[in-house]
Amino acid sequence: GQNIDQPTEMTATEGAIVQINCTYQTSGFNGLFWYQQHAGEAPTFLSYNVLDGLEEKGRFSSFLSRSKGYSYLLLKELQMKDSASYLCAVRSLNSGGYQKVTFGTGTKLQVIP
Amino acid sequence: EPEVTQTPSHQVTQMGQEVILRCVPISNHLYFYWYRQILGQKVEFLVSFYNNEISEKSEIFDDQFSVERPDGSNFTLKIRSTKLEDSAMYFCASSRENRGGTEAFFGQGTRLTVV
Repeated sequence: GQNIDQPTEMTATEGAIVQINCTYQTSGFNGLFWYQQHAGEAPTFLSYNVLDGLEEKGRFSSFLSRSKGYSYLLLKELQMKDSASYLCAVRSLNSGGYQKVTFGTGTKLQVIP
Repeated sequence: EPEVTQTPSHQVTQMGQEVILRCVPISNHLYFYWYRQILGQKVEFLVSFYNNEISEKSEIFDDQFSVERPDGSNFTLKIRSTKLEDSAMYFCASSRENRGGTEAFFGQGTRLTVV
């Protein structure tokens, strides 16, 4: 089976940096995604990691350690509009080579002035 | 910018009725997915679909559910004999490929309310 853990809630200050952690256990690992989801809306793609290391994309960076089953999403220069849930999602491949993406419960980030 | 579209945005149905949720994936995408999200809970994978057949499904996706690509553009999720616990937001997603950094693009969802 698959298990994905991330903190339920976090609060950070506008302009600051926040790191949202995700740990996972899965077989057939084939990549990790971070999605942003505002309340009542669909998830939107933020980042993808399949190899160890840091991927940077503007104010957002994502890190992966496959050996540790660990990822984090780093948000810099926080803005009020960054208040949302951040979903860690792990892609795994079945024996037929088809993918399934499993989402964590999400981390609800509140940015305060 | 191309997007995944879902209709209706909100569906209310009586328990025991059948519903069909409709999705139009992005036109050059080959892989299609349904997810659901019960209010306040996580996004749950239901099924993936490729080359006109189911490629993966979760334990949630039992005989009550079926998917179909009736023509070249639509991708539907049918829920037979709906139950109260089927009330959720249902998201359709599509992706161009099945590998690499190819992310799935999500539609805006259909909120299903079973009464």
